[in-house]
Amino acid sequence: NAGVTQTPKFQVLKTGQSMTLQCAQDMNHEYMSWYRQDPGMGLRLIHYSVGAGITDQGEVPNGYNVSRSTTEDFPLRLLSAAPSQTSVYFCASSKRKSTGSYTGELFFGEGSRLTVL
Amino acid sequence: DAKTTQPNSMESNEEEPVHLPCNHSTISGTDYIHWYRQLPSQGPEYVIHGLTSNVNNRMASLAIAEDRKSSTLILHRATLRDAAVYYCILRDGGTYKYIFGTGTRLKVLA
Repeated sequence: NAGVTQTPKFQVLKTGQSMTLQCAQDMNHEYMSWYRQDPGMGLRLIHYSVGAGITDQGEVPNGYNVSRSTTEDFPLRLLSAAPSQTSVYFCASSKRKSTGSYTGELFFGEGSRLTVL
Repeated sequence: DAKTTQPNSMESNEEEPVHLPCNHSTISGTDYIHWYRQLPSQGPEYVIHGLTSNVNNRMASLAIAEDRKSSTLILHRATLRDAAVYYCILRDGGTYKYIFGTGTRLKVLA
């Protein structure tokens, strides 16, 4: 019963490096999203997707790319890491009901802690 | 995107009810009201959600004002395990964007 799996759990990067945070869910959820949480702050939406091949920007999309080639996976790419991207990143998913609306419950992964030096 | 306003922190005694308020004066007709909580060093977990009517589940109750400009999450008997940051969120029914605010940190006193 894996749910939402994020890898890696911890990562240290140097400024200018690129990397991909992986997110996979085994619940056949149509909706997936990425958030970042800075110390002592709430979560801010980076990008989200309502299905394979469909992505859209959230509140803070600059510096990040996403793609959704399968229902299960929603990777987040940091193009050129900056110290301001030091944060904890959460992936979340939700299921669409047969009526087309969403159940309203987001399932979160355990988070990926990224430090950019 | 409509925003929510919550008190930064609240305290409650164990075994007593807790009422966590949320203001969302710019809510639109298609926005759902969600509550999540985040325990230390964990991802947020779903608590409850509603659109217009009051809602109950095993974790909590959600009371929504008639004009929908505010709501209250009710924990009927607070336990030490309920100490967390509680987020009131509006979900845009059209775009399905979940926008978190800064939340209320609930401290439960033994």
